[in-house]
Amino acid sequence: AQSVTQLDSHVSVSEGTPVLLRCNYSSSYSPSLFWYVQHPNKGLQLLLKYTSAATLVKGINGFEAEFKKSETSFHLTKPSAHMSDAAEYFCVVSDRRGSYIPTFGRGTSLIVHP
Amino acid sequence: GAVVSQHPSRVICKSGTSVKIECRSLDFQATTMFWYRQFPKQSLMLMATSNEGSKATYEQGVEKDKFLINHASLTLSTLTVTSAHPEDSSFYICSARPTSRTDTQYFGPGTRLTVL
Repeated sequence: AQSVTQLDSHVSVSEGTPVLLRCNYSSSYSPSLFWYVQHPNKGLQLLLKYTSAATLVKGINGFEAEFKKSETSFHLTKPSAHMSDAAEYFCVVSDRRGSYIPTFGRGTSLIVHP
Repeated sequence: GAVVSQHPSRVICKSGTSVKIECRSLDFQATTMFWYRQFPKQSLMLMATSNEGSKATYEQGVEKDKFLINHASLTLSTLTVTSAHPEDSSFYICSARPTSRTDTQYFGPGTRLTVL
């Protein structure tokens, strides 16, 4: 069965420093991987997705993620954090065997200090 | 881009009443829609998969008679919380999978339900 592990429940960075949010997945089939962001009391916004094309995926707001099959990872990065990036981030996996029903990670709360 | 709406965005009701939440795909057809529940500071929990024209598939532990799902058209799914109780208070989010893209889904903005 597919699964996803977000290794950190909280990540704290200073404004202007790099962001790294870690995600490892388990999937028997070629997975589709997604990162979503959720601001307080808001819905989910898609940051980026990987669906078997280029392994380095660029998303919105300067975020990108690299699909590494050998490491079963799909970490989210951003070169320079902004205060507005403070939010909850979810890594999501889906695959054909799971009928493309998405499985969510537990979420990582990104805290940005001035 | 693909847009999914939810209505209402926020609802407060008395214990024992029923509440209906609508999920609409505005510019695409969705054979499949998903309903999630999210508790504060937690991840999304899949409640059920809604398929147009057939019965919904509920996840283990989700009461079918409590959370009624209807997917009557390719652009509309509804979730009715029957005889709501305070413990049903939560953030409910739907997503819609385009008929043409089975590996993608688009999320609605969510509905905040508060049961007094």
